[in-house]
Amino acid sequence: AQSVTQLGSHVSVSEGALVLLRCNYSSSVPPYLFWYVQYPNQGLQLLLKYTSAATLVKGINGFEAEFKKSETSFHLTKPSAHMSDAAEYFCAVSVSQRVGYQKVTFGIGTKLQVIP
Amino acid sequence: DGGITQSPKYLFRKEGQNVTLSCEQNLNHDAMYWYRQDPGQGLRLIYYSQIVNDFQKGDIAEGYSVSREKKESFPLTVTSAQKNPTAFYLCASSPSGRAPQETQYFGPGTRLLVL
Repeated sequence: AQSVTQLGSHVSVSEGALVLLRCNYSSSVPPYLFWYVQYPNQGLQLLLKYTSAATLVKGINGFEAEFKKSETSFHLTKPSAHMSDAAEYFCAVSVSQRVGYQKVTFGIGTKLQVIP
Repeated sequence: DGGITQSPKYLFRKEGQNVTLSCEQNLNHDAMYWYRQDPGQGLRLIYYSQIVNDFQKGDIAEGYSVSREKKESFPLTVTSAQKNPTAFYLCASSPSGRAPQETQYFGPGTRLLVL
């Protein structure tokens, strides 16, 4: 079975400061990892995903994440926070649970607050 | 534009009443999903379908039912057996639901409230 742990259900940063949202995963098979963003009262949209092509993954809106197998981590970063980054962020792990079925497990989410 | 639509945006349920949430996609995806979102619990899978006329229970299927009569549509019924239905419900789709690297695409959600 796979699992995802997001450390910190709420994170606050000042506008212009570094954003770091933490995600650790557990999986018995090679995982694929995703970060999604959710703005208030909306659905989720993909920020970026790791599919084993490169360990450093760049996404939309200046976000990036690095896959570290030794640390089982996939932390999300952005060098400089913008007010529009205020949202909830979900890390997800996806594996082939059995032949022909994709099993996706989401973390509990981290709400990012950006302080002007 | 391709995407997923969910209706209504808000839904109110009375005690003992069944209600149905609509989900339609025009992405030509085979797989569709229903998730329930509660504060602090992330997303939990209710049902999924990888092909028309077939669907499988997810992690929290009790008190819910679905149908998949058309590729584009995957309605969710919240039955009176679901004792705590207040939540935000998200519908999603993916190209096949069979490859772990597939992205899931989400609709805007329906917020269900109990009167």
